[in-house]
Amino acid sequence: GAVVSQHPSWVICKSGTSVKIECRSLDFQATTMFWYRQFPKQSLMLMATSNEGSKATYEQGVEKDKFLINHASLTLSTLTVTSAHPEDSSFYICSASPGGNEQFFGPGTRLTVL
Amino acid sequence: SQKIEQNSEALNIQEGKTATLTCNYTNYSPAYLQWYRQDPGRGPVFLLLIRENEKEKRKERLKVTFDTTLKQSLFHITASQPADSATYLCALAASSGYSTLTFGKGTMLLVSP
Repeated sequence: GAVVSQHPSWVICKSGTSVKIECRSLDFQATTMFWYRQFPKQSLMLMATSNEGSKATYEQGVEKDKFLINHASLTLSTLTVTSAHPEDSSFYICSASPGGNEQFFGPGTRLTVL
Repeated sequence: SQKIEQNSEALNIQEGKTATLTCNYTNYSPAYLQWYRQDPGRGPVFLLLIRENEKEKRKERLKVTFDTTLKQSLFHITASQPADSATYLCALAASSGYSTLTFGKGTMLLVSP
């Protein structure tokens, strides 16, 4: 149980385009979903926290207009990187929580912006 | 500022030995601490959670200790196997209920046959 999927697992796009990443909790309802970004040999950095049906809470320094988060249902959250640039290339990981202390992580999405 | 430190150098050990990884933190009073395993190009996988009022937690070959005075957690893998080779992350949470996690950079463990 407690499986979280992400789609796509990797994506390559041209600079200036937008990319949508999906995060799904497959066998539980996630009251809260989290989006992280991880650069090589760095720690996971929390970008934003989203609760179903409400606006996401963004961490300091994360542009909400650039990283659009939609938590439309208890099993689906999406992250859209708008007008992507090479510096946005990173490993994006989501996690989902059924409540309390537990977070279950997705397999990650490797974004490369050319 | 809050800081979580894990040894950035890879830990190389021989199969069968006990691996010990360290997580130190400063300017933080975590309600609980978690350890995760991360394989290259994959998301973290939860291993163990230990609360501020707990000294030690065990799960199969894994053991975690939590010393809030020293502001340190130790993560042990006994009878290590090559399959244990991965990066291990510690993460701290500020409150006991719903809380965001702050991650360390992780330490890579390499277990040789």
